[in-house]
Amino acid sequence: EPEVTQTPSHQVTQMGQEVILRCVPISNHLYFYWYRQILGQKVEFLVSFYNNEISEKSEIFDDQFSVERPDGSNFTLKIRSTKLEDSAMYFCARKDSLRNSPLHFGNGTRLTVT
Amino acid sequence: GESVGLHLPTLSVQEGDNSIINCAYSNSASDYFIWYKQESGKGPQFIIDIRSNMDKRQGQRVTVLLNKTVKHLSLQIAATQPGDSAVYFCAEAGRGSSNTGKLIFGQGTTLQVKP
Repeated sequence: EPEVTQTPSHQVTQMGQEVILRCVPISNHLYFYWYRQILGQKVEFLVSFYNNEISEKSEIFDDQFSVERPDGSNFTLKIRSTKLEDSAMYFCARKDSLRNSPLHFGNGTRLTVT
Repeated sequence: GESVGLHLPTLSVQEGDNSIINCAYSNSASDYFIWYKQESGKGPQFIIDIRSNMDKRQGQRVTVLLNKTVKHLSLQIAATQPGDSAVYFCAEAGRGSSNTGKLIFGQGTTLQVKP
């Protein structure tokens, strides 16, 4: 079973619309990540989040993206104005410790932008 | 530049045979490596990891080998089973990962197990 739960499992939206993807860790952890995977491609880093702040973000994570942990539990990824090329699987992950420990992924949200 | 890659996009093996999946990395400063398995419709699943101060690590039916001289990582699966069919990714702790914990993934190898 995945150690983070992601909702929804599939989101279909029209280009230009805002979407919010949610992640709920099973236990209380401090280090969270969002990755995405375009169909048939490798898993790409988007952003890391620690202590309610972004610690690192990739070039993909531009101004249309934002993350927050509003209630101390749910971890969200917001895409403000979706584009066709945002269609991908989005994975939330958590880590036990910062160094030398693996990421544990959820089963992802499939985002389809039409 | 920073990159992690795999040598073959697809590997086909007979059930019961041993499988070897390879990965090359370019960042000689990386000190932590992981293998993930991804089944259709699911997220990457942790298999095994290795730190750069080790050459070999064994798990249940899996072994990871690290050759820092040629920057090569491999995953060996013993007695491959149909349930091992999946896409396998290697990942490394990227530059600056001591501050963020970010992992960089390779392209992936599809393992097909023939009954």
